[in-house]
Amino acid sequence: AQSVTQLGSHVSVSEGALVLLRCNYSSSVPPYLFWYVQYPNQGLQLLLKYTTGATLVKGINGFEAEFKKSETSFHLTKPSAHMSDAAEYFCAVSSPGGFKTIFGAGTRLFVKA
Amino acid sequence: GAGVSQSPSNKVTEKGKDVELRCDPISGHTALYWYRQSLGQGLEFLIYFQGNSAPDKSGLPSDRFSAERTGGSVSTLTIQRTQQEDSAVYLCASSTYSGVEAFFGQGTRLTVV
Repeated sequence: AQSVTQLGSHVSVSEGALVLLRCNYSSSVPPYLFWYVQYPNQGLQLLLKYTTGATLVKGINGFEAEFKKSETSFHLTKPSAHMSDAAEYFCAVSSPGGFKTIFGAGTRLFVKA
Repeated sequence: GAGVSQSPSNKVTEKGKDVELRCDPISGHTALYWYRQSLGQGLEFLIYFQGNSAPDKSGLPSDRFSAERTGGSVSTLTIQRTQQEDSAVYLCASSTYSGVEAFFGQGTRLTVV
């Protein structure tokens, strides 16, 4: 069985500050890990993904995440927040040939001017 | 098509009525997923299709919910005798095969009054 825990339902940062959104997963098989972003009244859009290979993955809009197997974590970071980053972010886990992608509860990011 | 298409985008229905939600996945995608997103909640997995078969229906909340997929393409989620707690955004996603990146539609916002 797989599961995802996102720490913090809401995160608030100032414009220009570091963004850190936390995600821990549980999986009995090597996982595929994803971060999706959802802007208001829109569907989900893939930010980045880890499948195999390099554990530090870069995505769109300056975001990156690092897969740490020993910590079962896949935290999302961005060095400098922009107002346009305000959205809801979902961490997700699946596995090769797995039946479904499991999503975390989401973290809403607020960016203050 | 170019992306996952869902219809209608909004649906208001009276309690007790049946509703059908439609999802048209990206052409060639064999895997199709339905999720439910309630206000302030994460994504709740409902059902997964591989081709026309549904290996995992574990997320359907009750026997009032059913889904089918025909021709390995379009899927319909049916909710019978709708209740107010069914109000949510219903998201459909598809992927080339199970476990990899899913592409989401814009969702159908269902309101039961």
